Amino acid sequence: QTVVTQEPSFSVSPGGTVTLTCGLTSGSVSTSYYPSWYQQTPGQAPRTLISNTNTRSSGVPDRFSGSILGNKAALIITGAQADDESDYYCVLYMGRGAWVFGGGTKLTVL
Amino acid sequence: EVQLVESGGGLVQRGGSLRLSCGASGFPLSSYWMSWVRQGPGKGLEWVANIKQDGSDKHYVDSVEGRFTISRDNAKNSLYLQMNSLRAEDTAVYYCARDRFLYGWFFDVWGRGTLVTVSS
Repeated sequence: QTVVTQEPSFSVSPGGTVTLTCGLTSGSVSTSYYPSWYQQTPGQAPRTLISNTNTRSSGVPDRFSGSILGNKAALIITGAQADDESDYYCVLYMGRGAWVFGGGTKLTVL
Repeated sequence: EVQLVESGGGLVQRGGSLRLSCGASGFPLSSYWMSWVRQGPGKGLEWVANIKQDGSDKHYVDSVEGRFTISRDNAKNSLYLQMNSLRAEDTAVYYCARDRFLYGWFFDVWGRGTLVTVSS
């Protein structure tokens, strides 16, 4: 069974840079999985941040960026702000219509 | 405005059934694959099922295969999820989401969700 891994939690100082990752328990994440990233605050629907590894959605600040780092997809937040404190989820497209989400990363800004 | 609005959630007994609906506005549902994604209390997101534009292709996560059925009525701009043989672990907020292919697949529009609670 495919498991997508994310750090359960991460902390960053205001103005700092943080890299959240999205990996696989078996194998490497590549652009072929079309990794995408979503931000969610409690009680709200997810918000699409990044698609296709590194394409920012409309209205998403440019302090959010995506890439492949080594064998994982990465979401990089540069110049973190207080309202970036959220849960972040990656999802990989496994082909044949199937998707697998990572467990999510709870980001604290303090 | 592009919008998805879910409805049909509620409290149901274990083993019971429920049908969720998702109404689309601001875009033609018939042009897109559509998905259901759920989130258990205090848990992460889990993709549940999706359906091709014309309903001819459907996919499910293993845990709901054979119990849930995704369907659509493009004339009514509506997406559905029929949930049978419900289990406690199906308790979740269920979101409908639009699958989009733009240089790669992703979910570009989300509803606000509807809560399903399965009592044991």
